[in-house]
Amino acid sequence: AQKVTQAQTEISVVEKEDVTLDCVYETRDTTYYLFWYKQPPSGELVFLIRRNSFDEQNEISGRYSWNFQKSTSSFNFTITASQVVDSAVYFCALSEEETSGSRLTFGEGTQLTVNP
Amino acid sequence: DAGVIQSPRHEVTEMGQEVTLRCKPISGHDYLFWYRQTMMRGLELLIYFNNNVPIDDSGMPEDRFSAKMPNASFSTLKIQPSEPRDSAVYFCASSLDNGLNTEAFFGQGTRLTVV
Repeated sequence: AQKVTQAQTEISVVEKEDVTLDCVYETRDTTYYLFWYKQPPSGELVFLIRRNSFDEQNEISGRYSWNFQKSTSSFNFTITASQVVDSAVYFCALSEEETSGSRLTFGEGTQLTVNP
Repeated sequence: DAGVIQSPRHEVTEMGQEVTLRCKPISGHDYLFWYRQTMMRGLELLIYFNNNVPIDDSGMPEDRFSAKMPNASFSTLKIQPSEPRDSAVYFCASSLDNGLNTEAFFGQGTRLTVV
């Protein structure tokens, strides 16, 4: 069975600090996809990134970067020079090929607070 | 496209009443998902459809919950009778392809409170 663990329940930083959100996953599949979603205070879920299990290249998008390491089953998310607008709950999610369809299994979420 | 549209945004109802949540997926998307978010259980998949056909409803908590998708542009999630423990945020999401290969786009959610 698949599982996603986000051990950090809450993180609080001061603006301009770098912050890394951890995500560890469990799956028996060799083919799977990992996602990060952002849930701002307004409540909607905003897609940030999708990564497939065969692509271990790290990705950078502006102040966001993602580090995928299959050896440790981790898919960590770093925000560089954090801003107050980054304050949100961030969810890591997993989708497996062998499940009947494409259900997303979400982690518990990490509440990030960026203080001015 | 306006994105996934859910209605109502907020719903307060009394225990025992029927509640119907509505969703309009993004036009052209083949997959539609219903998720529930609670403090205790986080985000969990309730049911999903492919081309209007329910594929997996194993996440539906009990018989009080039912979902339909009469056409490609509309889906409902019904709770009858509602109970206080059903209070949660219900999200609808849609994806163009099998979600394994594409991301799911989420609606803004319906916050349900059963008193």
